[in-house]
Amino acid sequence: GAVVSQHPSWVICKSGTSVKIECRSLDFQATTMFWYRQFPKQSLMLMATSNEGSKATYEQGVEKDKFLINHASLTLSTLTVTSAHPEDSSFYICSARGLAGTRNQPQHFGDGTRLSIL
Amino acid sequence: DQQVKQNSPSLSVQEGRISILNCDYTNSMFDYFLWYKKYPAEGPTFLISISSIKDKNEDGRFTVFLNKSAKHLSLHIVPSQPGDSAVYFCAASARTSGSRLTFGEGTQLTVNP
Repeated sequence: GAVVSQHPSWVICKSGTSVKIECRSLDFQATTMFWYRQFPKQSLMLMATSNEGSKATYEQGVEKDKFLINHASLTLSTLTVTSAHPEDSSFYICSARGLAGTRNQPQHFGDGTRLSIL
Repeated sequence: DQQVKQNSPSLSVQEGRISILNCDYTNSMFDYFLWYKKYPAEGPTFLISISSIKDKNEDGRFTVFLNKSAKHLSLHIVPSQPGDSAVYFCAASARTSGSRLTFGEGTQLTVNP
């Protein structure tokens, strides 16, 4: 089945640090990637939709200058949490969808990144 | 505004019996529904989906039922196995929102040996 790789799986860093998370589709080309955030015992909340070669679309309430998204190729999207603070600590998960025009193709998820800001 | 709701945070069943996980939605524009399974510290894994033109979709031990008039879907797992113990999320999307998925809060399923 489709595989999405997310790296790193765990990050612990000091407040004020910027953290980059990578999401790669390993065996398919992902025209669209999605970034989610999950707080404990809560649902996955979509942060932004990343389309290859264009600007990301952010959900309401998500600061685009805080969460920088780059989708430079069909197999890689990155999320950079800039100047991270303790309230940014969360579980971040990416997902990828294959070819454009197939809306009902399920998204495949990475294993997530646990971000802890001290 | 929680458009997709899973009202049961947890469910416990005996091995071999049927597990029924429920999901309700409010947005009548949703026309595609999915179930994902998630283990701790891992990303969700796609299980099964259903389009609004159907009312049932079956894949092995997993069957999803959709009742559009009630805006309700359910996932049946039979027979349940201890390895099915995980958090199950239902998700929905609307044609007008492209691929954007809206997730429920999840239900923790525990299958006891």
